[in-house]
Amino acid sequence: AQSVTQLDSQVPVFEEAPVELRCNYSSSVSVYLFWYVQYPNQGLQLLLKYLSGSTLVESINGFEAEFNKSQTSFHLRKPSVHISDTAEYFCAVTQITGFQKLVFGTGTRLLVSP
Amino acid sequence: EPEVTQTPSHQVTQMGQEVILRCVPISNHLYFYWYRQILGQKVEFLVSFYNNEISEKSEIFDDQFSVERPDGSNFTLKIRSTKLEDSAMYFCASRAEMNTEAFFGQGTRLTVV
Repeated sequence: AQSVTQLDSQVPVFEEAPVELRCNYSSSVSVYLFWYVQYPNQGLQLLLKYLSGSTLVESINGFEAEFNKSQTSFHLRKPSVHISDTAEYFCAVTQITGFQKLVFGTGTRLLVSP
Repeated sequence: EPEVTQTPSHQVTQMGQEVILRCVPISNHLYFYWYRQILGQKVEFLVSFYNNEISEKSEIFDDQFSVERPDGSNFTLKIRSTKLEDSAMYFCASRAEMNTEAFFGQGTRLTVV
């Protein structure tokens, strides 16, 4: 079985500041890793994913995450946040075999203020 | 851009009533899922569906729950006799094939009173 830990339930930052949202996972088998974002009153949108290859993955809107197998982490970073980045961010894992259900963390609410 | 569509966006029902939550997955997708999120808690897996049958279900998905793909486009979640603790946001998701991303719908907020 897999589990995901997002220790920070809420992260307040000022606009244009850097941010890191932490994600650690536990699994006895190989996994794929994802970050989903949920804007207010909207559904879950995929932000970025790690399936294989380079351990550093990037999204089109400036977020990046690095898969660290030894630390079982997949932290999300952005060097300069915007007000529009205010949302709930969910880290998720799925084992690479089977029907690939997603196991989610509890989410981190990113609050960007001017 | 293709998307997963869920209806209704919000449903209020009385305890003990049956509800059906509807989803239209992306048309060429083969794997379908339901998840739920109780207010303030994490998103939890309920069930996965492939080749017209349940492929995996969680312990939450008891006899009160059922899923169906009645035609080529809809994927429904039925709760036979709702309880107060069924109040949650329910998300449908679909995936084209293994090792690709899952696309989520906007969710249906179910409120049981």
